[in-house]
Amino acid sequence: DQQVKQNSPSLSVQEGRISILNCDYTNSMFDYFLWYKKYPAEGPTFLISISSIKDKNEDGRFTVFLNKSAKHLSLHIVPSQPGDSAVYFCAASGLGGGSYIPTFGRGTSLIVHP
Amino acid sequence: DAGITQSPRYKITETGRQVTLMCHQTWSHSYMFWYRQDLGHGLRLIYYSAAADITDKGEVPDGYVVSRSKTENFPLTLESATRSQTSVYFCASSAGVNQPQHFGDGTRLSIL
Repeated sequence: DQQVKQNSPSLSVQEGRISILNCDYTNSMFDYFLWYKKYPAEGPTFLISISSIKDKNEDGRFTVFLNKSAKHLSLHIVPSQPGDSAVYFCAASGLGGGSYIPTFGRGTSLIVHP
Repeated sequence: DAGITQSPRYKITETGRQVTLMCHQTWSHSYMFWYRQDLGHGLRLIYYSAAADITDKGEVPDGYVVSRSKTENFPLTLESATRSQTSVYFCASSAGVNQPQHFGDGTRLSIL
């Protein structure tokens, strides 16, 4: 059973608008969450992370929000640019319960139209 | 150059053959990982290693063997390749738990 779910396989947005990518998790022992970005023919690259002691973390155009009670996190990209078109993976890990190895979602393919 | 490199980038082989995918990192990271990426499945963990000579199974370990005699290398071997092992394989490393992973550019493996 999937512990980290990205229920939208794809998302299409217009350049300049906001992109919101969602991720849900089921394991309450997860306390560290990451987003990775992947271009075709390349490996994933780390984008931004958040620990469970925070509910928001910002890095330039990228903001991750964490709602622990709902076991939900989201990545906001504002404003979206064509170069943001990639597959985005959500990952989660936790030091408790043997879940310290990151578990990945299946990814969301973001397409930003000029 | 510092980083994580995988070789080969592309490999075609036949069922029943043994094939080894190489992974080398220059950061002296403790943790190393092998994933496979398949359509509809995202990244699935095959094996991981917390340090030299310590390895453990991930989600999909069957048919694979790993070793880690040196901190910087983490080869993945398919002892008798099957068509279901056709995939893109990614190696990654991290400095510790709850630390971001650094990925190689992948090996695209086709088994005929």
